[in-house]
Amino acid sequence: EAGVAQSPRYKIIEKRQSVAFWCNPISGHATLYWYQQILGQGPKLLIQFQNNGVVDDSQLPKDRFSAERLKGVDSTLKIQPAKLEDSAVYLCASSSRTAGNGELFFGEGSRLTVL
Amino acid sequence: DAKTTQPTSMDCAEGRAANLPCNHSTISGNEYVYWYRQIHSQGPQYIIHGLKNNETNEMASLIITEDRKSSTLILPHATLRDTAVYYCIVRVAGTASKLTFGTGTRLQVTL
Repeated sequence: EAGVAQSPRYKIIEKRQSVAFWCNPISGHATLYWYQQILGQGPKLLIQFQNNGVVDDSQLPKDRFSAERLKGVDSTLKIQPAKLEDSAVYLCASSSRTAGNGELFFGEGSRLTVL
Repeated sequence: DAKTTQPTSMDCAEGRAANLPCNHSTISGNEYVYWYRQIHSQGPQYIIHGLKNNETNEMASLIITEDRKSSTLILPHATLRDTAVYYCIVRVAGTASKLTFGTGTRLQVTL
């Protein structure tokens, strides 16, 4: 089966500019996660969706970050305006409530560099 | 979710067993132990998980102590491709719960 698709793989922007990342989860997976991974650290959960509803966005900096999951499938994560400290890899993951052992399947990530 | 403690880094010779320890002394009765790994420039990959019994799959074995306060991930014959960061995570039972990552153990497999 196809894995979690993310784009773009790399993005370089100036601070105060905006950027958007796209994620297409594994077909049929109802749960979708966005993680932020800063160099040298483990991934940190930003937001979790169940279908198109938000389950957990407690660590999402809502003054500059937004995310949506229209129709419960694809998702976009937006940053506006970007700060230097937003430089990181943004990982999307999906999981199924009804199949497997609930493990998360991760995409390869989108690497953001803010100059 | 309970926190875990892992060594920052470990080395292992290729072909030998790699034993990666994890402490999770505050684990609750309904929390599973999960292991993921992250190879450079890739997303994390599921390895194995367990509740209280030892588990084995095609990738690794998981040994959980009887009191469930610690566990060991065993890669029986490490190869260079096993060089990665290994994360031990405790997670509430249920398929929609989140994973909370620590800093993991960086395993370097050498010739």
